[in-house]
Amino acid sequence: LAKTTQPISMDSYEGQEVNITCSHNNIATNDYITWYQQFPSQGPRFIIQGYKTKVTNEVASLFIPADRKSSTLSLPRVSLSDTAVYYCLVGDNYGGSQGNLIFGKGTKLSVKP
Amino acid sequence: DVKVTQSSRYLVKRTGEKVFLECVQDMDHENMFWYRQDPGLGLRLIYFSYDVKMKEKGDIPEGYSVSREKKERFSLILESASTNQTSMYLCASTTGEVGKLFFGSGTQLSVL
Repeated sequence: LAKTTQPISMDSYEGQEVNITCSHNNIATNDYITWYQQFPSQGPRFIIQGYKTKVTNEVASLFIPADRKSSTLSLPRVSLSDTAVYYCLVGDNYGGSQGNLIFGKGTKLSVKP
Repeated sequence: DVKVTQSSRYLVKRTGEKVFLECVQDMDHENMFWYRQDPGLGLRLIYFSYDVKMKEKGDIPEGYSVSREKKERFSLILESASTNQTSMYLCASTTGEVGKLFFGSGTQLSVL
């Protein structure tokens, strides 16, 4: 199972771009990379997912280098409401094998005014 | 929107009690999961189910059991609650689409 490593915490200011990098050296060929966001007292919420190169949606961008051993979640122009814990997951998630999804400890992002 | 509903937001139980945590999803998802979340430990998978009456152990199944009699409902059972089972319990479901879990709001269980 691919294990992920992320910074425990990060600080930023409103309006800045925030990049959170996740290491996953043992990622397997069939694994996808998925990021979740969690606010206090709520369940995690899916943000973005990718397999290789770059993926962008209305919330974030995900950059994945060619070797796929790391990925970077990019949040453009953060606001106070982006203060949350961000989780990086890798896994091969077909049918019953979704049990191999592993949530690490995540990165606690604090956005200051 | 997909909705995953957990029956209780907060629950207080006594040591030795049998505890049922209920989870219902409304999107006909095949796969359902129970996690617990503790400060400093992140989310840990207790059990998951990929079909009715099917269950698989996760990383920390000891002290727990599950039941999935209907596709939309996945129950977590603490046969004899202990204080070390005080935690936030999160239910999730998915179709099987790669990695996209939908979570409920969680049940904060306190065992006294």
